[in-house]
Amino acid sequence: DAGVIQSPRHEVTEMGQEVTLRCKPISGHDYLFWYRQTMMRGLELLIYFNNNVPIDDSGMPEDRFSAKMPNASFSTLKIQPSEPRDSAVYFCASSLESYNEQFFGPGTRLTVL
Amino acid sequence: AQSVAQPEDQVNVAEGNPLTVKCTYSVSGNPYLFWYVQYPNRGLQFLLKYITGDNLVKGSYGFEAEFNKSQTSFHLKKPSALVSDSALYFCAVRDYNQGGKLIFGQGTELSVKP
Repeated sequence: DAGVIQSPRHEVTEMGQEVTLRCKPISGHDYLFWYRQTMMRGLELLIYFNNNVPIDDSGMPEDRFSAKMPNASFSTLKIQPSEPRDSAVYFCASSLESYNEQFFGPGTRLTVL
Repeated sequence: AQSVAQPEDQVNVAEGNPLTVKCTYSVSGNPYLFWYVQYPNRGLQFLLKYITGDNLVKGSYGFEAEFNKSQTSFHLKKPSALVSDSALYFCAVRDYNQGGKLIFGQGTELSVKP
């Protein structure tokens, strides 16, 4: 299995632009998680899905952030409009069941100028 | 509220010496505990987990962790450190009453010197 796939690996954009991050979980995994990692705040859970349904989005920082999972093999995290403080590494992870270990993708390093 | 604490930002160890990375937790109910490692510019990699059973859990790359319920700790250990073990280590806890959500500690930077 290829593991969790994220694209792009790096994204540089200007303030105000829309950013879309993509994730393909491991096949057969029912849970998908989006995290953000910064030096100041560490690793934060933004949102997670179970069987394509959002379960907990309490970590989404504000309305500028949205996430979707249209099918079991694809999820997006969108920021519109982007701001410099959104600069971070965004990770996607998936797991078989809620009590299983999560497998992380390589991350997307987002820089908003 | 559930929480995880990693009291040391950094741990320095000489190669060949034993290493310990500390983690304490606070949850309501029985904890599910995890250790992850992150190498530079990489995603987190799963090392080991405790759900139930033996308090000493063995994981990848020779690492093990000891669950101590009375001290609410789950310290990561390795008998003999390697330079290649240098990385960022995260402890995480999941409360099974709260679904799949993991709470991560702030991370501990492990540096192993030759």
